[in-house]
Amino acid sequence: GESVGLHLPTLSVQEGDNSIINCAYSNSASDYFIWYKQESGKGPQFIIDIRSNMDKRQGQRVTVLLNKTVKHLSLQIAATQPGDSAVYFCAENNPLSSGSARQLTFGSGTQLTVLP
Amino acid sequence: GAGVSQSPRYKVAKRGQDVALRCDPISGHVSLFWYQQALGQGPEFLTYFQNEAQLDKSGLPSDRFFAERPEGSVSTLKIQRTQQEDSAVYLCASSLRQGGETQYFGPGTRLLVL
Repeated sequence: GESVGLHLPTLSVQEGDNSIINCAYSNSASDYFIWYKQESGKGPQFIIDIRSNMDKRQGQRVTVLLNKTVKHLSLQIAATQPGDSAVYFCAENNPLSSGSARQLTFGSGTQLTVLP
Repeated sequence: GAGVSQSPRYKVAKRGQDVALRCDPISGHVSLFWYQQALGQGPEFLTYFQNEAQLDKSGLPSDRFFAERPEGSVSTLKIQRTQQEDSAVYLCASSLRQGGETQYFGPGTRLLVL
């Protein structure tokens, strides 16, 4: 089946450095992507989203890049802080087969650890 | 304001027991989703409600799983005759409108079946 996956399961960065988390997807029809942050014991938290008619979107300290040609997403976090330590998921937000709503299809996640 | 809440936060069950997991969505949210998250994996879709109507249950892994939202607000996910492979975190998410583009997640219920 089609799936969303991540290149690296873990990433360690020094505090203050920039972080880049990558994600590959296989469904070329996907038109909406979301990055989530999940801290231990909590549910996924929305970070930033991007639609397929864009190739870049910026938020506060975060940037998402979309390359539809190679079906690749990346999340860039500027000046990484200890509070950024978490698991990061990219997710495709696509219509359910029933057409009733849109579901999220998550990858397996990248554990980001920020070193002091 | 209050976010999505779930209870209990942790549940230990003996194999074969029935369990009921509760989700309180954000007030006024039309859409409600249940996801299952195995250890070290991303969440996987289970079922979707629009108000009280269960419009999609294609992700439920077996007929031992049953979900309801009788009054269009609180939802309960019930698992009958639990098995060890049911051990996971069960996440609930709600969305203001039908369709569920922006989903807000609760903290999840961690279920351990012994």
